[in-house]
Amino acid sequence: DAGITQSPRHKVTETGTPVTLRCHQTENHRYMYWYRQDPGHGLRLIHYSYGVKDTDKGEVSDGYSVSRSKTEDFLLTLESATSSQTSVYFCASAPGASIETQYFGPGTRLLVL
Amino acid sequence: TQLLEQSPQFLSIQEGENLTVYCNSSSVFSSLQWYRQEPGEGPVLLVTVVTGGEVKKLKRLTFQFGDARKDSSLHITAAQPGDTGLYLCAADSGNTPLVFGKGTRLSVIA
Repeated sequence: DAGITQSPRHKVTETGTPVTLRCHQTENHRYMYWYRQDPGHGLRLIHYSYGVKDTDKGEVSDGYSVSRSKTEDFLLTLESATSSQTSVYFCASAPGASIETQYFGPGTRLLVL
Repeated sequence: TQLLEQSPQFLSIQEGENLTVYCNSSSVFSSLQWYRQEPGEGPVLLVTVVTGGEVKKLKRLTFQFGDARKDSSLHITAAQPGDTGLYLCAADSGNTPLVFGKGTRLSVIA
């Protein structure tokens, strides 16, 4: 299994506060992804990265920003958290695009009050 | 945005029964993947199918990619409680990141 971790695993925050979630992979994968998973919506792509400092928006990018300063780390920031951003967030990494296997982290459960 | 429709949404069966779940779209895909997700964990890849009409077997699981590369099915023979989980299909059109379906939540009761 690819070594991919997420921190924190659980977080409770208040509306309007900034939140940063971290994804760390040890496989030297080029591609990294952030998804959110909600009942009735499945997995939806927020942002992804195809290299250091190379990122692009996904399906539900509004209210989120990302940064990738090192191959192994991909940060997701909620600049001002809202209750609609309560969700389970998954990070994934892959050696290449699309057809390549995505290796998922264990998820971060975020509750915005 | 291409859509992947998975059916059924929920499935509850007794141990030993057979089942089939489906992943359908109106779009043609370069490849399609099936993942299984257990509670509290991230999805894990089961299989990737690439060629139209392709059939792959993984123990009691049989995966098929439609001839037109627009749909796929997953058949489980003699389901066991360990098969319980969320089954997700994900498709690649070649130009964009993978698109995931909403999943089929399977419960196998002993």
